[in-house]
Amino acid sequence: DSGVTQTPKHLITATGQRVTLRCSPRSGDLSVYWYQQSLDQGLQFLIHYYNGEERAKGNILERFSAQQFPDLHSELNLSSLELGDSALYFCASSALGAYNEQFFGPGTRLTVL
Amino acid sequence: AQSVTQPDIHITVSEGASLELRCNYSYGATPYLFWYVQSPGQGLQLLLKYFSGDTLVQGIKGFEAEFKRSQSSFNLRKPSVHWSDAAEYFCAVGVNKLVFGAGTILRVKS
Repeated sequence: DSGVTQTPKHLITATGQRVTLRCSPRSGDLSVYWYQQSLDQGLQFLIHYYNGEERAKGNILERFSAQQFPDLHSELNLSSLELGDSALYFCASSALGAYNEQFFGPGTRLTVL
Repeated sequence: AQSVTQPDIHITVSEGASLELRCNYSYGATPYLFWYVQSPGQGLQLLLKYFSGDTLVQGIKGFEAEFKRSQSSFNLRKPSVHWSDAAEYFCAVGVNKLVFGAGTILRVKS
């Protein structure tokens, strides 16, 4: 158990819908990262938040957004969903100064029908 | 641009045999390198990491990896594979933003 929790574990929805994925980092970790894992794209970095502020963006679609709240949990919002958004979404956390060792949650599997 | 290449998509080894998974990276500065393992339906677990210093790093579960700057490689090794090692292995490079390789699926024959 990495100490990172993600909810829900599975999510099935329809095209055009909007969903929210939630992540709670390890106790004390200020950084939260989101990754998408799909069969065709592999594991791709989406976005990094540190203590509530966005620090870096990767291949994140404009339909996707994220935020980190004062209690350090993070949410990834996916809107206008398309079939191609079906993937496993991972959250990871790290402590600043810990040489960027990222601890991954179990993931949320999103299926868009 | 940063990139990671894992040339082997699948590898099959016999239980008790040695293992080497290959990883080559492209990175503009001193790389931070990682190996993660993912079992089916599970998240990613960090096996080991390299930031600086000794180029041979030890990890969990009996794994080790050697950083070779001249070859831009960070290969993962284990002297004797157990059936429970069957999983997918990912090499990654980066600071904050991790760039992952495509992964190598390890199958273990009994």
